[in-house]
Amino acid sequence: DTGVSQDPRHKITKRGQNVTFRCDPISEHNRLYWYRQTLGQGPEFLTYFQNEAQLEKSRLLSNRFSAERPKGSFSTLEIQRTEQGDSAMYLCASSPRTGHYGYTFGSGTRLTVV
Amino acid sequence: DQQVKQNSPSLSVQEGRISILNCDYTNSMFDYFLWYKKYPAEGPTFLISISSIKDKNEDGRFTVFLNKSAKHLSLHIVPSQPGDSAVYFCAAREHAGGSQGNLIFGKGTKLSVKP
Repeated sequence: DTGVSQDPRHKITKRGQNVTFRCDPISEHNRLYWYRQTLGQGPEFLTYFQNEAQLEKSRLLSNRFSAERPKGSFSTLEIQRTEQGDSAMYLCASSPRTGHYGYTFGSGTRLTVV
Repeated sequence: DQQVKQNSPSLSVQEGRISILNCDYTNSMFDYFLWYKKYPAEGPTFLISISSIKDKNEDGRFTVFLNKSAKHLSLHIVPSQPGDSAVYFCAAREHAGGSQGNLIFGKGTKLSVKP
């Protein structure tokens, strides 16, 4: 088990472009979370899945953001028409079950919008 | 408004001494608290947690204390080691009626343990 994997590690994109990030959780974990962290702040919740169902979305997840988890395995986070304010570290985490809050985080994808 | 506050951005401690990291919260509906450690270029790593029905939880060199009346928790590391140098985040979860996925994090405290 290699933990939670995120790809790419770094992404630089021009404003207005679309970007997609991928997260591969720990295989037996049925819960998957996306968080965003900006400089000097703690991680902020974006959304989470239980298996393939997206159960909750934060107000931070504007309509330019979409997340999927087909077949309850890996997940993708897409940002359309990127803005400079989207520059952040996007963190994915997984956990094995409801009520287990010691999430395992990946190393994140650092997005820079220029 | 921040519901989880870590008012000390940084802390420096001598190796072998105790490190005490503090966290305050405002939401009385929080029922579970966690500490994460983060090294540069890595994601946060879960360290220790405590339920609101307890006032202390210990795991090796790490102990978390919860004072519900003061809405305050602290992480004690003893003895501190240079490898403990990292950013420590306090996080909290709202009672079951709230979000099931949302951990609310503080801004973090950077701990430096000097040899």
